[in-house]
Amino acid sequence: GAGVSQSPSNKVTEKGKDVELRCDPISGHTALYWYRQSLGQGLEFLIYFQGNSAPDKSGLPSDRFSAERTGGSVSTLTIQRTQQEDSAVYLCASSRGWDYEQYFGPGTRLTVT
Amino acid sequence: ELKVEQNPLFLSMQEGKNYTIYCNYSTTSDRLYWYRQDPGKSLESLFVLLSNGAVKQEGRLMASLDTKARLSTLHITAAVHDLSATYFCAVVHLSLYGGATNKLIFGTGTLLAVQP
Repeated sequence: GAGVSQSPSNKVTEKGKDVELRCDPISGHTALYWYRQSLGQGLEFLIYFQGNSAPDKSGLPSDRFSAERTGGSVSTLTIQRTQQEDSAVYLCASSRGWDYEQYFGPGTRLTVT
Repeated sequence: ELKVEQNPLFLSMQEGKNYTIYCNYSTTSDRLYWYRQDPGKSLESLFVLLSNGAVKQEGRLMASLDTKARLSTLHITAAVHDLSATYFCAVVHLSLYGGATNKLIFGTGTLLAVQP
């Protein structure tokens, strides 16, 4: 079946602009996660959605970062007023439930110039 | 705070040789994953280790878990060039009250280069 998909695959933006990154989880997966991979920080957890529960936002690095998950499926990660340090690969993952293995998407490479 | 350390960070091996990657974590967890990442690609799950003493093998890779020592190893037997990639371990973060959150804390990664 289809895996986790993310769009766009690459995004170049100017400093100060807002960006939206999209994630389509595997059908039927109730949990969705965002991670960030950067040279300086490695792989970091950002935010986690599970069903209708309040999301775990404990990994978001600043209030410029936010995420939504509509209809329990598609998620959008929004970064406002982008900074150069936001340049990274943003990975989305989904799982059947909170206690199940996570499957990762191909990532969105964000470059802030 | 849960910290996960891997070593070595970089490993250059000759084909046919054996080696081990180590993953240490700082606080109790009930699950550990090993992932492989090829350049420009996403993470591919290799192993899930759920209990103390767990050992899993797939081809030339074998992973083990010692929860008492908070240590996992990924052993490579008779390396081949196709195994060249970056390998990550990731540990499930437990909440303050010991409940699993399924939030993964990743190690730094080990870049494996297998030379012919």
